[in-house]
Amino acid sequence: DVKVTQSSRYLVKRTGEKVFLECVQDMDHENMFWYRQDPGLGLRLIYFSYDVKMKEKGDIPEGYSVSREKKERFSLILESASTNQTSMYLCASLTGTGGYGYTFGSGTRLTVV
Amino acid sequence: QQQVKQSPQSLIVQKGGIPIINCAYENTAFDYFPWYQQFPGKGPALLIAIRPDVSEKKEGRFTISFNKSAKQFSLHIMDSQPGDSATYFCAAQTGANNLFFGTGTRLTVIP
Repeated sequence: DVKVTQSSRYLVKRTGEKVFLECVQDMDHENMFWYRQDPGLGLRLIYFSYDVKMKEKGDIPEGYSVSREKKERFSLILESASTNQTSMYLCASLTGTGGYGYTFGSGTRLTVV
Repeated sequence: QQQVKQSPQSLIVQKGGIPIINCAYENTAFDYFPWYQQFPGKGPALLIAIRPDVSEKKEGRFTISFNKSAKQFSLHIMDSQPGDSATYFCAAQTGANNLFFGTGTRLTVIP
């Protein structure tokens, strides 16, 4: 089974801090994604990457950046955390060879105070 | 703009009942319609999916009904169990990187 691992389950950060959320997948998938999940809004795409060093903006990229230096690792960066970035963050991966089903990590619940 | 509209937001049924969750879309380019199930503290997991060339797909107690002309699809859970209590997301997809989620339905199955 594909495994997507997010390094932290819970994080509490202060306003203005730079925050790194890490995600690692173990199945050599080309595509990786970062979503945020908020009640009543579903899952919204922040950024995705289809290859090493490649990235594309999703629906809500403002205030975020990403890094993909190795195929298995995709990092989400909050440049200057704000309280409206308090949310559940989900990482996912997908094979690039015709697959359509995403595999999600367990999520990181980030609270910005 | 919500690409996929999902209802209801929450649903409570008795054990053995048949909860139905409905979704609608506009973009006819979508070619894959998955449902994801999410338990508390976990990420969403792919439950069942359908392509628009079939009208129904069944896997165990879970059935997707698909109406291409109406641009609607729904999830039915037969003989629901307390263990089915979770949040369910419908989604629509075209290509690997174009996946749009509904807003989710929190299902509670009462013993």
